[in-house]
Amino acid sequence: SAVISQKPSRDICQRGTSLTIQCQVDSQVTMMFWYRQQPGQSLTLIATANQGSEATYESGFVIDKFPISRPNLTFSTLTVSNMSPEDSSIYLCSVEDRQGADEQFFGPGTRLTVL
Amino acid sequence: AQSVTQLDSQVPVFEEAPVELRCNYSSSVSVYLFWYVQYPNQGLQLLLKYLSGSTLVESINGFEAEFNKSQTSFHLRKPSVHISDTAEYFCAVKGYSSASKIIFGSGTRLSIRP
Repeated sequence: SAVISQKPSRDICQRGTSLTIQCQVDSQVTMMFWYRQQPGQSLTLIATANQGSEATYESGFVIDKFPISRPNLTFSTLTVSNMSPEDSSIYLCSVEDRQGADEQFFGPGTRLTVL
Repeated sequence: AQSVTQLDSQVPVFEEAPVELRCNYSSSVSVYLFWYVQYPNQGLQLLLKYLSGSTLVESINGFEAEFNKSQTSFHLRKPSVHISDTAEYFCAVKGYSSASKIIFGSGTRLSIRP
């Protein structure tokens, strides 16, 4: 199974600023994903981070608001831009283990509070 | 496309009592089924999964889930819960296709009373 770390684990930010979240995996993986979990809710897929090309965004999410980088097979970043209080959520990085029959592993999450 | 319904948003039970967390899914194709657990202030951890074969799958901490194709259900059960089982539980489904994305239910908060 893949071991995933995220930085920062939590942050409190001011409205209008941006925060970049890092995701590091201990092995090379093909598929990396970014999810948002708003307070008291389930997980919503933001985008699939593609190595060497632009991320694939789900409906309702755009690159200008959530730019994503994936420079190699073990690392990705998600930036939450021009933040508002509605962006307060837990942001989770996830990877898919094809050898484990499409099982997904999740990072510990980044808890973001926007004031 | 797939969807997942978790019928109970919260389930309070007493310690050492049995519990069942319900999960129903819909899909036009064959699927993998998962239960994930999220302990307070932590990320998601895979609890158990159904891929194929035996319809009853078990976790290392005493949970089990049974895949029922005719009822399109994958309910999670434990015969005797412990305080440490307090967590949010998410049922999830994923189609066999490599292009299929995992879909999560809305979650069930299990709270254990001493």
